Amino acid sequence: GAVVSQHPSWVICKSGTSVKIECRSLDFQATTMFWYRQFPKQSLMLMATSNEGSKATYEQGVEKDKFLINHASLTLSTLTVTSAHPEDSSFYICSARDLAGVPDTQYFGPGTRLTVL
Amino acid sequence: AQRVTQPEKLLSVFKGAPVELKCNYSYSGSPELFWYVQYSRQRLQLLLRHISRESIKGFTADLNKGETSFHLKKPFAQEEDSAMYYCALKIYGKLTFGQGTILTVHP
Repeated sequence: GAVVSQHPSWVICKSGTSVKIECRSLDFQATTMFWYRQFPKQSLMLMATSNEGSKATYEQGVEKDKFLINHASLTLSTLTVTSAHPEDSSFYICSARDLAGVPDTQYFGPGTRLTVL
Repeated sequence: AQRVTQPEKLLSVFKGAPVELKCNYSYSGSPELFWYVQYSRQRLQLLLRHISRESIKGFTADLNKGETSFHLKKPFAQEEDSAMYYCALKIYGKLTFGQGTILTVHP
């Protein structure tokens, strides 16, 4: 079945540094990927939609300069948290949309735990 | 704006008992609804979608447009059903998730 990977699975960084998280679709092409944020024991909140070859579209309230998204290929999207602060600590999850699948389905990555000290 | 509500944060049942996880939505258009499940230390995965009208792992969910509900049901819960369950509404390709319900099935 369709698999989505994320790297790293966890990261600890100092306040003020930038962190890059990768999301890959391993056995299918994904023109669209999504980035979510999940706080402990809470729901997933969509941050942005990543479109291959074009700019990402961000949800209301999400700072695009803070959370940089690049979808450079059909199998890779990256989320860079710039100048991270402790309040950015969270669980970040990506999903990839398999348009070739019938019906079109989103497959989720395992998530990345970010801790900003 | 669209919204998905799962009123129960926690739900506990005994093995073999029926279980119903509630989900209500608000959306003025024609909804496309899903149930996702997340087992302990695993990623989120699709359980079922309303358009398929299928039964997965004994679970079913019926869309009730009059009550704007999409409750998830299973007649006989199993211990391996213990997990976090999310109801989700898809609009223009984007998913809006409910808060999730943690189901615990006791032996």
